[in-house]
Amino acid sequence: EAQVTQNPRYLITVTGKKLTVTCSQNMNHEYMSWYRQDPGLGLRQIYYSMNVEVTDKGDVPEGYKVSRKEKRNFPLILESPSPNQTSLYFCASSLGVGGLYEQYFGPGTRLTVT
Amino acid sequence: DAKTTQPNSMESNEEEPVHLPCNHSTISGTDYIHWYRQLPSQGPEYVIHGLTSNVNNRMASLAIAEDRKSSTLILHRATLRDAAVYYCILRALNQGGKLIFGQGTELSVKP
Repeated sequence: EAQVTQNPRYLITVTGKKLTVTCSQNMNHEYMSWYRQDPGLGLRQIYYSMNVEVTDKGDVPEGYKVSRKEKRNFPLILESPSPNQTSLYFCASSLGVGGLYEQYFGPGTRLTVT
Repeated sequence: DAKTTQPNSMESNEEEPVHLPCNHSTISGTDYIHWYRQLPSQGPEYVIHGLTSNVNNRMASLAIAEDRKSSTLILHRATLRDAAVYYCILRALNQGGKLIFGQGTELSVKP
């Protein structure tokens, strides 16, 4: 089944403890992206990647890192999480970057930083 | 970034058609019109997209105005499972591929 998977689905952590949220897609998609969703602010893009080893900042990249060493995986790294990174995170992928292509989203990771 | 405007909420009866409107008066010639929906506690789900012509798929139809300044998502027979927030989004090649989500339209379906 074609899908985007994320792990973990739920995570409670403390300020400053490094964490990684994994994202994997099995559709051979070139483009992958991370969004965060907050009440009243909607979904906002954090980082994106157009291909292996090619990543770029989205609208809210501060406090996050990403890497794209393989086509299928796009982990989101929080080196020193803070409470303002408490949010619902979604990974997405699409065949290409242009408007012609639809994006497929993962189920989400709910992160709480205390 | 080109913006879209949607009603905050709409109501429908089960088994009846639903027309969800979207205005995008600043759309540029290469922007595609995308619709996604988000069910409670789930990730956004792709519904349909188009450029100029009307589009149909198994989930819905998309009617695009001739001047492309507005579009309408049509659910032909609403079911309770269609209750969700529906987002109308313009996806442009020059925006790093991102989808710019607005507040969307919360659709409720009454049995």
